[in-house]
Amino acid sequence: AQSVTQPDIHITVSEGASLELRCNYSYGATPYLFWYVQSPGQGLQLLLKYFSGDTLVQGIKGFEAEFKRSQSSFNLRKPSVHWSDAAEYFCAVGSSGYSTLTFGKGTMLLVSP
Amino acid sequence: DTAVSQTPKYLVTQMGNDKSIKCEQNLGHDTMYWYKQDSKKFLKIMFSYNNKELIINETVPNRFSPKSPDKAHLNLHINSLELGDSAVYFCASSQGRPGSYNEQFFGPGTRLTVL
Repeated sequence: AQSVTQPDIHITVSEGASLELRCNYSYGATPYLFWYVQSPGQGLQLLLKYFSGDTLVQGIKGFEAEFKRSQSSFNLRKPSVHWSDAAEYFCAVGSSGYSTLTFGKGTMLLVSP
Repeated sequence: DTAVSQTPKYLVTQMGNDKSIKCEQNLGHDTMYWYKQDSKKFLKIMFSYNNKELIINETVPNRFSPKSPDKAHLNLHINSLELGDSAVYFCASSQGRPGSYNEQFFGPGTRLTVL
């Protein structure tokens, strides 16, 4: 069965500092990987996704993520965090062999002034 | 224009009641989903429909019954509501069948509170 682990329940970053949110997945074949963001009281919005090819993918709002097969990781990064980035971030894994996405438990990002 | 809409946004009701949540998407997608997000923000798939056909039915009590009158709508009816049903319910849609790599678009959620 596929699974996703986001080891950090919450992270606090100073505005302007860099950010890395961790995501590890478990799946035998090549996964489809996603990062979604959920602002308070809102639905989920896709930040970026990886299916194949270049392991460094660019997303919206200045986010990027790198797929590392050897580490089963798909960490999300941003070089300079803005206060508006404060939200809950979800990593998800899917594949052609499964009919659904499996989400991690989320990481809450807090941005301090 | 709203891509995936849900009504109502908030729903407060007593235990034992029956309630429905409606979902509509205007993206022309083939597949729609219902997710439940618990108080710890854990998001879990409940159901998925592709062209009005039930594809995914996770371990959900049979008090929950999805209905898809057409591929643009997927409603969720809940009978005999229990305290544990309190959660945020998200509708989503995507192009193609479940298991494809297409992005899922989420609605704003319906916060259900059972008293």
